[in-house]
Amino acid sequence: EVQLVESGGGLVQPGGSLRLSCAASGFTLNNYWMHWVRQAPGKGLVWVSEIHSDGNTVYADSMKGRFTISRDNAKNTLFLQMSSLRADDTATYYCARSTNGFDYWGQGALVTVSS
Amino acid sequence: DIQMTQSPSSLSASVGDRVTITCRTSQGIRNALSWYQQKPGKAPKRLIFAVSSLQSGVPSRFSGSGSGTEFTLTISSLQPEDFATYYCLQHSSYPLTFGGGTEVGIK
Repeated sequence: EVQLVESGGGLVQPGGSLRLSCAASGFTLNNYWMHWVRQAPGKGLVWVSEIHSDGNTVYADSMKGRFTISRDNAKNTLFLQMSSLRADDTATYYCARSTNGFDYWGQGALVTVSS
Repeated sequence: DIQMTQSPSSLSASVGDRVTITCRTSQGIRNALSWYQQKPGKAPKRLIFAVSSLQSGVPSRFSGSGSGTEFTLTISSLQPEDFATYYCLQHSSYPLTFGGGTEVGIK
């Protein structure tokens, strides 16, 4: 059974950093393109970043230079390193597997940026 | 960036009603469009991929259609468990973009 389980969310001060993890099971992570999508409270879905099977990465413009997507193949885990966090980065962050859109999603990790 | 205009933003309907949600894209996206259902506090769930292919396990009352720049999600007979928010997604070009969402509520 395919499962994605995020962890690492929490409260962080503006300007701070946080790393989210997404542990995958039931499939091999590096055989798929993987994504992060976020959703601010009460708002819609916003694509954040993706990592390809060959390791290439793509970012939404507003995250470029602040966020880094990566994976650990041995641990079958996806990461999102976030730095220079701002209040408007407050959101639930979902990891998702890509096959003609997003076929599997994690349960989400809430990141709150506040002093 | 490809703009996704999803309409309506909300609607009220009764059990048994036929419901149609539309996504218009600012440029052609071939068949790189999918539809998602999200319930409060839950992750989105894919219903339709490649414009009209039904996700395994999704009831057949859900269907997708369209081409070019106009795409539609139809629920043929609304059921109580279908009250939720629906989103379209284009993955034809970067950045990937979602529609603004349609909240389907109870009349």
